[in-house]
Amino acid sequence: GENVGLHLPTLSVQEGDNSIINCAYSNSASDYFIWYKQESGKGPQFIIDIRSNMDKRQGQRVTVLLNKTVKHLSLQIAATQPGDSAVYFCAALPQAGTALIFGKGTTLSVSS
Amino acid sequence: GAVVSQHPSRVICKSGTSVKIECRSLDFQATTMFWYRQFPKQSLMLMATSNEGSKATYEQGVEKDKFLINHASLTLSTLTVTSAHPEDSSFYICSARGSEENYNEQFFGPGTRLTVL
Repeated sequence: GENVGLHLPTLSVQEGDNSIINCAYSNSASDYFIWYKQESGKGPQFIIDIRSNMDKRQGQRVTVLLNKTVKHLSLQIAATQPGDSAVYFCAALPQAGTALIFGKGTTLSVSS
Repeated sequence: GAVVSQHPSRVICKSGTSVKIECRSLDFQATTMFWYRQFPKQSLMLMATSNEGSKATYEQGVEKDKFLINHASLTLSTLTVTSAHPEDSSFYICSARGSEENYNEQFFGPGTRLTVL
């Protein structure tokens, strides 16, 4: 199976700072990872994904880094804004065709 | 991306009654749908996987007779919570996957808040 965890349950930053949220996974066979943002009372919202044949992928203000050696994943948010305040989950796909397995979540609070 | 809807968005029911939650893929055909449950301040926990036209596969610890899943068409899956109790109160979220070629893509619904009194 897959066990996905996060290092810190909460992260507080000032507006404009860069945020880094970390995640660890257990199954070395997992080959696809996604970061989701979830606002209160809503479903998960896709942020960015990465396949295991890559170690970095960039989106708009977000970057995902994958270190397969230590089975670690991180999400970097540049110039964090108050609208980025939410719970962030990493998810892993243990094998093709199965369901995503979610980590525990980090609550990001951005103060202005 | 593809759109997945859920109905109702929130429901309150009395203990002992049954509640049906619908999950629809609006602009694509979903060969596989997943049901997750999320308790307050916790992560999404996979309950079951349903494939169109076949029986759902339940995760360990999830009672299949209590959480009835029907995936009768390529655009609709339903989750029925039978004889609901207060401990079933939770946020239920479905997701849908389209073609087998894009097996990695899962599109999530907005969730259904169930409160059992």
